[in-house]
Amino acid sequence: DGGITQSPKYLFRKEGQNVTLSCEQNLNHDAMYWYRQDPGQGLRLIYYSQIVNDFQKGDIAEGYSVSREKKESFPLTVTSAQKNPTAFYLCASLPGLLSNQPQHFGDGTRLSIL
Amino acid sequence: GQNIDQPTEMTATEGAIVQINCTYQTSGFNGLFWYQQHAGEAPTFLSYNVLDGLEEKGRFSSFLSRSKGYSYLLLKELQMKDSASYLCAVRLNTGFQKLVFGTGTRLLVSP
Repeated sequence: DGGITQSPKYLFRKEGQNVTLSCEQNLNHDAMYWYRQDPGQGLRLIYYSQIVNDFQKGDIAEGYSVSREKKESFPLTVTSAQKNPTAFYLCASLPGLLSNQPQHFGDGTRLSIL
Repeated sequence: GQNIDQPTEMTATEGAIVQINCTYQTSGFNGLFWYQQHAGEAPTFLSYNVLDGLEEKGRFSSFLSRSKGYSYLLLKELQMKDSASYLCAVRLNTGFQKLVFGTGTRLLVSP
């Protein structure tokens, strides 16, 4: 079955530490997205990528970085510059950025501060 | 700015019908998605409306009025498993599929 796999499911970060969240898809989708979900707020876009080796900042990119070296993979690094990283992080993919199809989401990673 | 409003929480009884409203004011509009999200899980797609009117899909229906900036999701014959959050998301008129999400409506279905 095709889908999106996010790992780990739970992640803890110490002060001053960078952590990387994994997102892998086997749907052969070109476009991938990272969102952050906080209680009482809607999903907010962090970064998106249309194609390998290309990515763009979303609405709340400060304190985050991404890479897109392979079509299947779009890891997100939460850097120490992100002062409030505790949230539920969701990765999504789409056949193409212009597609009218719905985005497919992974099961998410919950990040907490130690 | 972008503004999408949904009720925070709703309760209903098993077997009943519930309507979840979503109003939006956005700079551009290119369709509206509804997603279902169980706690701690991935959002799953329910419906997509681009044109005005009602789209029916089994127990779920979604309505859109672009002139009023209004949509609703109608759930019939409620089941306990329908207890979840329902997310309204507007697709903007950008060069890529950019979605702006509402805060979600948490629906609790009781026996």
